Amino acid sequence: DGGITQSPKYLFRKEGQNVTLSCEQNLNHDAMYWYRQDPGQGLRLIYYSQIVNDFQKGDIAEGYSVSREKKESFPLTVTSAQKNPTAFYLCASSMGQRTTDTQYFGPGTRLTVL
Amino acid sequence: GNSVTQMEGPVTLSEEAFLTINCTYTATGYPSLFWYVQYPGEGLQLLLKATKADDKGSNKGFEATYRKETTSFHLEKGSVQVSDSAVYFCALLMDSNYQLIWGAGTKLIIKP
Repeated sequence: DGGITQSPKYLFRKEGQNVTLSCEQNLNHDAMYWYRQDPGQGLRLIYYSQIVNDFQKGDIAEGYSVSREKKESFPLTVTSAQKNPTAFYLCASSMGQRTTDTQYFGPGTRLTVL
Repeated sequence: GNSVTQMEGPVTLSEEAFLTINCTYTATGYPSLFWYVQYPGEGLQLLLKATKADDKGSNKGFEATYRKETTSFHLEKGSVQVSDSAVYFCALLMDSNYQLIWGAGTKLIIKP
């Protein structure tokens, strides 16, 4: 049963703490993405990775970091430098990055800063 | 630059009504176009897509036709159900930068 899993579903963080959001896919996809969604808004790209050990900044990378040590995994760390981290975070993957390659999404992680 | 504009919501309809959610785009080139749906508290699911002009994407009774002359990709359904209540996102993908560009989303509310 292929798909994308994200954990945890809900995450609470105190100010000043770093937290790491997990994203795993068993679709054998090369490309993976992290998006942030704020209420009533569209998605904004944080980071993306086209291949293992390589990743690029998206539109709002400040205060975030990623790694891509394995094809299946693309964890996102929200650092204390991110000034307004409360949001819904979505991970996605695609076979490649051609225009015909559909992005498939995980169920999301809702991060709340207390 | 490239962009996607969707009609503002919420759109409220009665069950079995006809649905249209407008989506227009600006792009320098020939993008692929997508509609995604997000049910409450969940991630996004691909609803349909079209990769070239005049293509029609369809799924679960929803349809959208890639109109290059009007730069549009309007989503339609002939008879909506309460279970169609969700947020619908239009998006485009350019082969020049491989990044999805998203509309702001349109919330659809279907009343019984």
